[in-house]
Amino acid sequence: EAGVTQSPTHLIKTRGQQATLRCSPISGHTSVYWYQQALGLGLQFLLWYDEGEERNRGNFPPRFSGRQFPNYSSELNVNALELEDSALYLCASSLAPRGGNEKLFFGSGTQLSVL
Amino acid sequence: QKEVEQNSGPLSVPEGAIASLNCTYSDRGSQSFFWYRQYSGKSPELIMFIYSNGDKEDGRFTAQLNKASQYVSLLIRDSQPSDSATYLCAPRGDYKLSFGAGTTVTVRA
Repeated sequence: EAGVTQSPTHLIKTRGQQATLRCSPISGHTSVYWYQQALGLGLQFLLWYDEGEERNRGNFPPRFSGRQFPNYSSELNVNALELEDSALYLCASSLAPRGGNEKLFFGSGTQLSVL
Repeated sequence: QKEVEQNSGPLSVPEGAIASLNCTYSDRGSQSFFWYRQYSGKSPELIMFIYSNGDKEDGRFTAQLNKASQYVSLLIRDSQPSDSATYLCAPRGDYKLSFGAGTTVTVRA
């Protein structure tokens, strides 16, 4: 069974540009989560989607947005890139949450570098 | 106050020793916890899930949960160099979907 897949593996952009990151969850998982992990820092929660709806959002500016498609795959968009957006972006998926987060299965991440 | 706090590492232990990792949480509604392990340059992977007060053992790993004290810990017995990683604590049922900052463990051969 395929795990969570993310693309691209690496992405290099310049300040002010837009970045689009993609994630495919494990088959059968309806929830997708996005996290940012800057170098040497912990996981910062960005967004949670379930059944096509945004369920929760972390403390990030509106230029971080996303969506979930009918096949449960997801896209994270970062507009007006800033240097401090350089980080590893991790996507995770889980079964439908009953009361918050369930066991998360993470993808390998997209390393975004903003020059 | 952060919702989940972990002991700040890094934690260095000799091979064969016990590594003890702690996690405290501020939300009294948190009833169960996950422990994830993240190797350097890799993504986190789930290693333990505990939902009852007391101990849960899985191989060399023991998770301990004390709901009254809002404290969960992870013990790694007979530590091996392959245990060198960052360990993350996360409460289940947390709509903020927060993780602790993690404790980095280094096992010295």
